[in-house]
Amino acid sequence: DAGITQSPRHKVTETGTPVTLRCHQTENHRYMYWYRQDPGHGLRLIHYSYGVKDTDKGEVSDGYSVSRSKTEDFLLTLESATSSQTSVYFCAITSGTGPLHFGNGTRLTVT
Amino acid sequence: KNEVEQSPQNLTAQEGEFITINCSYSVGISALHWLQQHPGGGIVSLFMLSSGKKKHGRLIATINIQEKHSSLHITASHPRDSAVYICAVVVGGADGLTFGKGTHLIIQP
Repeated sequence: DAGITQSPRHKVTETGTPVTLRCHQTENHRYMYWYRQDPGHGLRLIHYSYGVKDTDKGEVSDGYSVSRSKTEDFLLTLESATSSQTSVYFCAITSGTGPLHFGNGTRLTVT
Repeated sequence: KNEVEQSPQNLTAQEGEFITINCSYSVGISALHWLQQHPGGGIVSLFMLSSGKKKHGRLIATINIQEKHSSLHITASHPRDSAVYICAVVVGGADGLTFGKGTHLIIQP
């Protein structure tokens, strides 16, 4: 199995609090992605990275920021969580020419 | 914008049946992925295709670039094949992954 881990696996937080999700890989892959998965919407891209300190916005980036200070870690931050950000978050990695590998997901509930 | 349509959205079949899930897309792509997600579970990559056909065990994936269409076939289906199957296409560029909404497959014993 590809070395990709997400943490935490579950989180409950209150509206207005900051939240950071971590994606860690041991594959040395260039590309890393954060998606959210919601019923009826499928997987939607939040932000992605194509290298250290190289990131860009995806389809649903409002309210989220990311950082990638080293190849293996890609952090997703909700600066001030809202109930609409309750979702399951997946990180994915790829070399660009090979398959996608997904983390196990983080179930985030904002109350 | 690239649209990815999967059909059917839901499929219930009996164990042993031959299953076909379809994926159509609207613009040219460089590759297509088939993914599997079990209930409450993570997402696993089944195939990455840029042309032709690939086979892994009871799973077969085909792609027709000219017709902008791909199919995922499951032979001798089994209840453990029950999952959501997701098609994703790569248009080009680091952000060029577009996902279908998935096909929810249930195989009854």
